[in-house]
Amino acid sequence: GQSLEQPSEVTAVEGAIVQINCTYQTSGFYGLSWYQQHDGGAPTFLSYNALDGLEETGRFSSFLSRSDSYGYLLLQELQMKDSASYFCAAPVSGGYQKVTFGTGTKLQVIP
Amino acid sequence: DAMVIQNPRYQVTQFGKPVTLSCSQTLNHNVMYWYQQKSSQAPKLLFHYYDKDFNNEADTPDNFQSRRPNTSFCFLDIRSPGLGDAAMYLCATSRGGTGDGYTFGSGTRLTVV
Repeated sequence: GQSLEQPSEVTAVEGAIVQINCTYQTSGFYGLSWYQQHDGGAPTFLSYNALDGLEETGRFSSFLSRSDSYGYLLLQELQMKDSASYFCAAPVSGGYQKVTFGTGTKLQVIP
Repeated sequence: DAMVIQNPRYQVTQFGKPVTLSCSQTLNHNVMYWYQQKSSQAPKLLFHYYDKDFNNEADTPDNFQSRRPNTSFCFLDIRSPGLGDAAMYLCATSRGGTGDGYTFGSGTRLTVV
């Protein structure tokens, strides 16, 4: 089976840095994606890590450690508009065209 | 702009009355997906098409069906909606590669009365 676990809620202060963790258990693993979803909106693709290490895209970075079955999304210089739910996601073993989403983390940015 | 469009944005249907949700894309992506998302939960995959090949998830109820008449369009049919089917239904597309992100439509929020 496939499971991806995330903290349910995180609160952080505007301008600060926050890390959202994702631990996974999969029967096969290709890589880890991250999506952002604002309330009432659709998920938006943020990043994909196929290899271990840190990938940086502007204020957002994503990290993967295959040996630890662990990844995280790092958001820097937090802005109020970053308040949203964040999902990690992984391609399903044997069916790389589809992904399973993690449990999701609701990020609240406060002034 | 290339995009994924879902219609309608909000749909109200009666208990047991068949309803169809639609999705179209201008991205020319090979794969189209239907996800169901309930409040404060992760999106749950119902099925997907790789080109014309239909792939159903094992736990998708028989009440849910899908059609993809061509590359651009995909439909979700709910034959007899129950109260438990009230949710946001998300259509997504991708090129099908492992690292290819999904492009989602804005979703259809279904209410069953």
